[in-house]
Amino acid sequence: RKEVEQDPGPFNVPEGATVAFNCTYSNSASQSFFWYRQDCRKEPKLLMSVYSSGNEDGRFTAQLNRASQYISLLIRDSKLSDSATYLCVVITGFQKLVFGTGTRLLVSP
Amino acid sequence: DAGVIQSPRHEVTEMGQEVTLRCKPISGHDYLFWYRQTMMRGLELLIYFNNNVPIDDSGMPEDRFSAKMPNASFSTLKIQPSEPRDSAVYFCASSQTQLLAGFTDTQYFGPGTRLTVL
Repeated sequence: RKEVEQDPGPFNVPEGATVAFNCTYSNSASQSFFWYRQDCRKEPKLLMSVYSSGNEDGRFTAQLNRASQYISLLIRDSKLSDSATYLCVVITGFQKLVFGTGTRLLVSP
Repeated sequence: DAGVIQSPRHEVTEMGQEVTLRCKPISGHDYLFWYRQTMMRGLELLIYFNNNVPIDDSGMPEDRFSAKMPNASFSTLKIQPSEPRDSAVYFCASSQTQLLAGFTDTQYFGPGTRLTVL
């Protein structure tokens, strides 16, 4: 079983839609969680951290469920510019990030 | 800030040749990471350094791969001899340690080197 698993997608949604991705992790001792965004042929960039209490940044909401070992990302009012691959990232040890293979999102007009 | 700098951006070589990838981390960052990304396996951590010292190289696929960090502003990843299955995008990332209730500072990625081994 992979340490971090994501549905590869693609998720095809129209502009304005709400879309949610989940990511599961296998190591119950995992400490920190993040969502990164990667545009085609570009480097990954931090989108947001995921806190135990859940957190929101504009149209983006991240949630953590430690009991079920998953994190989620909700995007409201999708924009064309949201089209990208979203990578779930888990820190399993000191400074050691484990990346999921990513979920591809395509937002169409 | 210039961000993480990697060179070359693209490299095409023939099987058996030596390949050297270079990275300059963000000034002041004391952690440096090398990753490899393929469609099949996603983003994999190869090795990381702290204060120029290799801490964990368990992700290095085999002895053909080696990495060095001779000083705080420069690192290399070398593949010798290269094979077609090494074709991938290689990313370098750096971070500055911030330990606060278990939170670790984000990593900043360079633009990557797209390696093709024929």
